Amino acid sequence: DQQVKQNSPSLSVQEGRISILNCDYTNSMFDYFLWYKKYPAEGPTFLISISSIKDKNEDGRFTVFLNKSAKHLSLHIVPSQPGDSAVYFCAARNYGGSQGNLIFGKGTKLSVKP
Amino acid sequence: GAGVSQSPSNKVTEKGKDVELRCDPISGHTALYWYRQRLGQGLEFLIYFQGNSAPDKSGLPSDRFSAERTGESVSTLTIQRTQQEDSAVYLCASSPWTEANYGYTFGSGTRLTVV
Repeated sequence: DQQVKQNSPSLSVQEGRISILNCDYTNSMFDYFLWYKKYPAEGPTFLISISSIKDKNEDGRFTVFLNKSAKHLSLHIVPSQPGDSAVYFCAARNYGGSQGNLIFGKGTKLSVKP
Repeated sequence: GAGVSQSPSNKVTEKGKDVELRCDPISGHTALYWYRQRLGQGLEFLIYFQGNSAPDKSGLPSDRFSAERTGESVSTLTIQRTQQEDSAVYLCASSPWTEANYGYTFGSGTRLTVV
């Protein structure tokens, strides 16, 4: 049973517009959420995170929103740039749980068109 | 080293051969994880090690897969009698296992191609 779900396998946006990547989770015990970005032939790299006690965290063009009642988080990228084209993974912290500290979604491939 | 190092970066092997993939975690990171990403798929958990505890092997897809870790250092993932469906990028990550830890550091992966 997937505890972290990214229901859109891909997303295409125009350069300069907003990209919104979505993530849903089922475990209300998750206390921290992270987004990773992965380019081809590279490992995932940490992008931005949010604690479960907050509803928004902003870092430059990247903002993560958390809606705990809906068990939903989203990553907003604005304005989107061609260099943002990558696979984005949502992850939730399951400290001390099975399979390690983080549970990952399956990823969303973002394509930003010039 | 400064980051998680994986070797080889690329490996092409014939079906039925055994392969061994290596991961050098960040020094001091007590937790180490193996994932794989098959073409067009997401991250698939394989196994994780935490200190001297028994590893969580719940993600290993078959008994052809095994992994070892020496103390809190190098780990090797071994795939015996490789099959074409084993073709994937195998990713290793490490993290400090503390309540204040909020993420993993990944290596660049080993791209395995079984022909």
